[in-house]
Amino acid sequence: GEDVEQSLFLSVREGDSSVINCTYTDSSSTYLYWYKQEPGAGLQLLTYIFSNMDMKQDQRLTVLLNKKDKHLSLRIADTQTGDSAIYFCAEKRGNDYKLSFGAGTTVTVRA
Amino acid sequence: DVKVTQSSRYLVKRTGEKVFLECVQDMDHENMFWYRQDPGLGLRLIYFSYDVKMKEKGDIPEGYSVSREKKERFSLILESASTNQTSMYLCASSHRPDDRGLNTEAFFGQGTRLTVV
Repeated sequence: GEDVEQSLFLSVREGDSSVINCTYTDSSSTYLYWYKQEPGAGLQLLTYIFSNMDMKQDQRLTVLLNKKDKHLSLRIADTQTGDSAIYFCAEKRGNDYKLSFGAGTTVTVRA
Repeated sequence: DVKVTQSSRYLVKRTGEKVFLECVQDMDHENMFWYRQDPGLGLRLIYFSYDVKMKEKGDIPEGYSVSREKKERFSLILESASTNQTSMYLCASSHRPDDRGLNTEAFFGQGTRLTVV
């Protein structure tokens, strides 16, 4: 649903950092996720953050969470051509079984 | 490796046909989900199931039904396919959250691209 919003496109030069932003509206969100979808494939979990954390780092990926502004970002350092994909932000509320997804940001890495 | 397998990668069906999309997972997950993915709209939940024979409507259930007779299999049924159901369909599964609500990752299948002509 539209409770999670992302910009639709991002173009970045190879070697630069990419920053993908996401906003959500439900303050009861417990987990926030970033999924990656490569062309012709399903979604693959990249990383997630628990709502009581501000930041999580995993190799080239850094997730920042601003609970006050309900803003989530994913930074990819040293972006490579293999990072070209659609990136989905998703939230899980309370003990809900399901995730709510944003529309996805298509990241294009240019040489 | 966790595997969520969707029976077809590509399907072409005629308007009015009854269509079955099958999904099987091998991780003994309690929860299974059907989403459709459309450009600019992201993933929208059609139906989900948290146990055998149990189902809940998602955000866009109209025109669809589901069946969960066995834990590992979740079927999506288009009773009478229409052109506006042309889309990418994604199946996912996850464990039920534990009592502390701790994270349960959702695993996705490869998707079925359905075209209704």
